[in-house]
Amino acid sequence: QQQVKQSPQSLIVQKGGISIINCAYENTAFDYFPWYQQFPGKGPALLIAIRPDVSEKKEGRFTISFNKSAKQFSLHIMDSQPGDSATYFCAAIRESGNQFYFGTGTSLTVIP
Amino acid sequence: ETGVTQTPRHLVMGMTNKKSLKCEQHLGHNAMYWYKQSAKKPLELMFVYNFKEQTENNSVPSRFSPECPNSSHLFLHLHTLQPEDSALYLCASSQESRPRGAEAFFGQGTRLTVV
Repeated sequence: QQQVKQSPQSLIVQKGGISIINCAYENTAFDYFPWYQQFPGKGPALLIAIRPDVSEKKEGRFTISFNKSAKQFSLHIMDSQPGDSATYFCAAIRESGNQFYFGTGTSLTVIP
Repeated sequence: ETGVTQTPRHLVMGMTNKKSLKCEQHLGHNAMYWYKQSAKKPLELMFVYNFKEQTENNSVPSRFSPECPNSSHLFLHLHTLQPEDSALYLCASSQESRPRGAEAFFGQGTRLTVV
């Protein structure tokens, strides 16, 4: 059973537009939710993360929105740029209990 | 450059071969990880080492054997692999093994093909 469901699988956005990637989880024991960015030929790199005690976290053009009651969280990329083209992974972690699950990834293409 | 170096970058091996993947981190971290990344599947955590001690083995088949001689080096020994083991194998390191390596630095990976 997949613990973290991520959508869409791929996304194409015009330059300057907003990219939105969604994730949903089942286990309410998860207590840390990071997003990773992966460029071709590179390993994933931590982009931004949130804990469930806040509903939103913003870092530059990247924002995580967190809906605890719906068990959903999403990544918003404002003013998307061609350099943002990459694969994005969400993850859900339970700090105790050794539980760490990634989503299946979203391939983002930003068209100039 | 993230400070985590993996070699080789690409590896093709037969099902009867024995090979090893190497990972080295120059960040002074004390936790290291092996992940498997297959196409259209979630990243799978395979092994966790914290202060050179294996703290997690996520039901990984015995044909994968990790080794962590010190906190800077991590190996993954491979033998009698199957074609379905073909994937990108990622090494990562972090200062502590909590929160479960989320703030880990990843290497570029080894692209493994089993023929």
